[in-house]
Amino acid sequence: SHVLTQPPSVSVAPGQTATVACGGRSLGIETVHWYQQKPGQAPVLVVYADKYRPYGIPERFSGSNSGNTATLIIYGVEAGDEAGYFCQVWDKSGDHPVFGGGTKLTVL
Amino acid sequence: HITLKESGPALVKPTQTLTLTCTFSDFSLSTYGVGVGWIRQPPGKALEWLALIYWNDEKRYNTSLQSRLTITKDTSKNQVVLSLTNVGPVDTATYYCGHRPGDLDYFDFWGQGALVTVSS
Repeated sequence: SHVLTQPPSVSVAPGQTATVACGGRSLGIETVHWYQQKPGQAPVLVVYADKYRPYGIPERFSGSNSGNTATLIIYGVEAGDEAGYFCQVWDKSGDHPVFGGGTKLTVL
Repeated sequence: HITLKESGPALVKPTQTLTLTCTFSDFSLSTYGVGVGWIRQPPGKALEWLALIYWNDEKRYNTSLQSRLTITKDTSKNQVVLSLTNVGPVDTATYYCGHRPGDLDYFDFWGQGALVTVSS
């Protein structure tokens, strides 16, 4: 079964690029999705299938996935990006989602 | 556009059964490949998947909670119901339901969540 590891926190200055890592064995052969969760709100899908954005998500959000690490990339970080970010893959053998532990992004 | 909303008790006593309803709109749970899942999040902690039901009534459960969980659907009412038996303080969490698009392995729409506290 998959185990996804995320750093508890990441800090970045406004206007800079934020990267949030998600580690897992051979993660590069899986499809990774990312959710943003602001305090008191439900998660929102911001990147699916490693690097694609759902409708309505700013172009500043992107992603990559290779080797044992998937990365959420946020270009030109804004104060409104301050939130928790969770990665997710699908366990095909058990047919269920697996979530990472989450990373809190702080905008300095 | 697709919406989901969770409903149920805000407070449940230990050993009782928690029953939550997810009422959704703008999609049908009889459409090929579509699923609705339940995910919970204890305060300040990570997301934990609980159960999933598909358009064809196939069900999946978190193996660590399987003996306590039941998921059902009422397609005519656009509802999915989750039951969790013998609750304890560790089950205190916000419970979310989410829409899984057909043949895709993520949740593209989520409900607002329902906070459930287990306490005597």
